[in-house]
Amino acid sequence: GAVVSQHPSWVICKSGTSVKIECRSLDFQATTMFWYRQFPKQSLMLMATSNEGSKATYEQGVEKDKFLINHASLTLSTLTVTSAHPEDSSFYICSARATGVPGTEAFFGQGTRLTVV
Amino acid sequence: GEDVEQSLFLSVREGDSSVINCTYTDSSSTYLYWYKQEPGAGLQLLTYIFSNMDMKQDQRLTVLLNKKDKHLSLRIADTQTGDSAIYFCAETINDYKLSFGAGTTVTVRA
Repeated sequence: GAVVSQHPSWVICKSGTSVKIECRSLDFQATTMFWYRQFPKQSLMLMATSNEGSKATYEQGVEKDKFLINHASLTLSTLTVTSAHPEDSSFYICSARATGVPGTEAFFGQGTRLTVV
Repeated sequence: GEDVEQSLFLSVREGDSSVINCTYTDSSSTYLYWYKQEPGAGLQLLTYIFSNMDMKQDQRLTVLLNKKDKHLSLRIADTQTGDSAIYFCAETINDYKLSFGAGTTVTVRA
């Protein structure tokens, strides 16, 4: 299957600093990428949908100024958690959908465990 | 995830079959998916079924879809210890978003 690489796989940062997480589709082009947040023992919560070359669409309740998403190319989307606080600690997962094949499976990155201290 | 419902836990003996059930709400969902998540890892696509099918088999995995009842199930034959994980079913919303269930934790006991 297609490979989606997420980096870093884990990060610890100080409260008030910003953290950038990268999501890359390695062997296919992805016009659409999704960012999810997962709390312990819970399901994935969609945060935003990112389309290449345009502004991300955020789900209700997700602060767009806090979670900056950039999708500059067909293979890379980034999520920046700005001025991180301990409550932002979570597992963040991206997924990518192949270009031109709507409705097919989305491929997931391995996730990034963010701990804010 | 509240629109997709799954039982939270399943314990099964090694070698037996596991059946994980899921109900969804959007009758227009074109694809329904099963994902597996091992501890600390991302999601791995196990299988998916197109909404005009009622069954799909892939090696040890069998997916059954009852569109009338909006019920989806995943059967794992000959369950192994490596099958211990959290299994998520998901439906497509508006043909591109995925809505996930809360996940079923499957524990395989010897």
